[in-house]
Amino acid sequence: AQRVTQPEKLLSVFKGAPVELKCNYSYSGSPELFWYVQYSRQRLQLLLRHISRESIKGFTADLNKGETSFHLKKPFAQEEDSAMYYCALSGSNNDMRFGAGTRLTVKP
Amino acid sequence: SQTIHQWPATLVQPVGSPLSLECTVEGTSNPNLYWYRQAAGRGLQLLFYSVGIGQISSEVPQNLSASRPQDRQFILSSKKLLLSDSGFYLCAWSAGGRWERMNTGELFFGEGSRLTVL
Repeated sequence: AQRVTQPEKLLSVFKGAPVELKCNYSYSGSPELFWYVQYSRQRLQLLLRHISRESIKGFTADLNKGETSFHLKKPFAQEEDSAMYYCALSGSNNDMRFGAGTRLTVKP
Repeated sequence: SQTIHQWPATLVQPVGSPLSLECTVEGTSNPNLYWYRQAAGRGLQLLFYSVGIGQISSEVPQNLSASRPQDRQFILSSKKLLLSDSGFYLCAWSAGGRWERMNTGELFFGEGSRLTVL
């Protein structure tokens, strides 16, 4: 069965510092992985997906199949990055499973 | 443009009473539809998903059921609520079809329904 693990419930960094939100997964097939973000008083929304190999708002995430990880990184955190971040994995049936989430706080 | 509506936004129900949460999507056809429960510290738990009318996949054995009577309508129900059913329920949709062929797999979420069972 597919599973997504986000080991850190809370993460706090200072503005301008690098940030890495960890995500590990287990899945027997070829995974499709995503990062979603929920800002205060807003709906959950897609941040980025691994198949696009894109950088959104300075964030990147690389799929490492050997380590079964999809960590989210940003070299210089901004205060507006403070939010709840969820890693998600899609299976072959269009199901989408989420991790427990990491609350990122960027301090001034 | 596509929109998703979910209601009611808040609901307070006694134990043993029935439940019906409704979700509708506009501006698209044959969407994939999802029900999640969001709990602090536990993330989003996938409850049900549907890739077509009458096709419901249940993820967790529980006191809840889902139905899809129309293409863009997804209903979460219970015959008798338990205290443990309290939580924040989210409906979501994605474009239909297998993602690598047709779309990006992005889920679009409703605003959620907060259920309190007393």
